[in-house]
Amino acid sequence: QKEVEQNSGPLSVPEGAIASLNCTYSDRVSQSFFWYRQYSGKSPELIMSIYSNGDKEDGRFTAQLNKASQYVSLLIRDSQPSDSATYLCLREYGNKLVFGAGTILRVKS
Amino acid sequence: DAGVIQSPRHEVTEMGQEVTLRCKPISGHDYLFWYRQTMMRGLELLIYFNNNVPIDDSGMPEDRFSAKMPNASFSTLKIQPSEPRDSAVYFCASRPDRGVTYTGELFFGEGSRLTVL
Repeated sequence: QKEVEQNSGPLSVPEGAIASLNCTYSDRVSQSFFWYRQYSGKSPELIMSIYSNGDKEDGRFTAQLNKASQYVSLLIRDSQPSDSATYLCLREYGNKLVFGAGTILRVKS
Repeated sequence: DAGVIQSPRHEVTEMGQEVTLRCKPISGHDYLFWYRQTMMRGLELLIYFNNNVPIDDSGMPEDRFSAKMPNASFSTLKIQPSEPRDSAVYFCASRPDRGVTYTGELFFGEGSRLTVL
């Protein structure tokens, strides 16, 4: 069983819309989560981290964590064509860092 | 400050040959991770080190793969013998230990693209 599940997409949204990306995980061991963005042919880069239940906002990005329901999400407001990339959910437990498969996001102008 | 440095950036080899990928982590980072990325399997954690000591190698696919970290500034991932199914992008990443400036961020190298014919 994969430890972190993501829908591979692609998720297509029009420019200016809200993109919603989700990630679920398989157990309740206390952990931290990170969202990374990866452009084609490039290495992943950190967008946001979230450690506790609730919402965390940074500019156009909002990360949400619900440990009871075992999911973490990333909302991108006012989506831009430059947001088109693969978004990776990273789960940390202990010092082990496991990525989800990633969701391809396409923002159409 | 230089980031994580990987070499080679591209490697094309024939099945059965030995492949060695190299990584220089960011100075002062205590953790080093090796990942493999393919379209089918995404980013898979192969092995990680803490203070040059391998902590978890459960992701290493088989005995053909081995990794070493002889000192804090250098690590290698070796495949011997290589097979076509090893074709992938191999990323090295590092991060510091928990402390005042700890953010949890993983710092990635640019990756080594391996093609085994």
